[in-house]
Amino acid sequence: DAGVIQSPRHEVTEMGQEVTLRCKPISGHDYLFWYRQTMMRGLELLIYFNNNVPIDDSGMPEDRFSAKMPNASFSTLKIQPSEPRDSAVYFCASSPGTSGGADTQYFGPGTRLTVL
Amino acid sequence: AQSVAQPEDQVNVAEGNPLTVKCTYSVSGNPYLFWYVQYPNRGLQFLLKYITGDNLVKGSYGFEAEFNKSQTSFHLKKPSALVSDSALYFCAVRDMDDYKLSFGAGTTVTVRA
Repeated sequence: DAGVIQSPRHEVTEMGQEVTLRCKPISGHDYLFWYRQTMMRGLELLIYFNNNVPIDDSGMPEDRFSAKMPNASFSTLKIQPSEPRDSAVYFCASSPGTSGGADTQYFGPGTRLTVL
Repeated sequence: AQSVAQPEDQVNVAEGNPLTVKCTYSVSGNPYLFWYVQYPNRGLQFLLKYITGDNLVKGSYGFEAEFNKSQTSFHLKKPSALVSDSALYFCAVRDMDDYKLSFGAGTTVTVRA
């Protein structure tokens, strides 16, 4: 299996622009998670989906952030408009959903976002 | 609420020496505990997890971790560290039947030759 795939790997944009990050989970995994990693705040869970349905978006920082999962093999995280404080590494992870709380999450390589 | 503490920001050891990375946790019920490793410019890689049973869990790359319920700890260990073990290590916890993982702040391990 190719693992979790994220694109782009690096994104540099200017403040005010729209940014879209993409994720393809491991085939057959029912859960998908979006995380943000910064030096100041560490790893934060932004939102997670089960069977393409958003379950908990309490970690989404502002209305500027939105996430969708139109099908089992694709998810997007969008920031509109972007701000310099959104600069971070964004990770996508997926898990099978077969073991309840014992499920292992598998992470993608991340997208490093820089907002100038 | 669930939380994880990794009391050491950095751990430095010589190659060939034992390596320990500390983790304590807090959950309302029975914990599921995980260790991940992150190499520079890479995603998190799963090392091992404790679900139930034997308190000593063995994982990838020669790592193991010991679950101690009375001390609410889940320390990561490796008997003989390698320079290639230099990375950022994260401990994570979740309560039973909860899909949300809570991560510690991470511990940077440096193994010197």
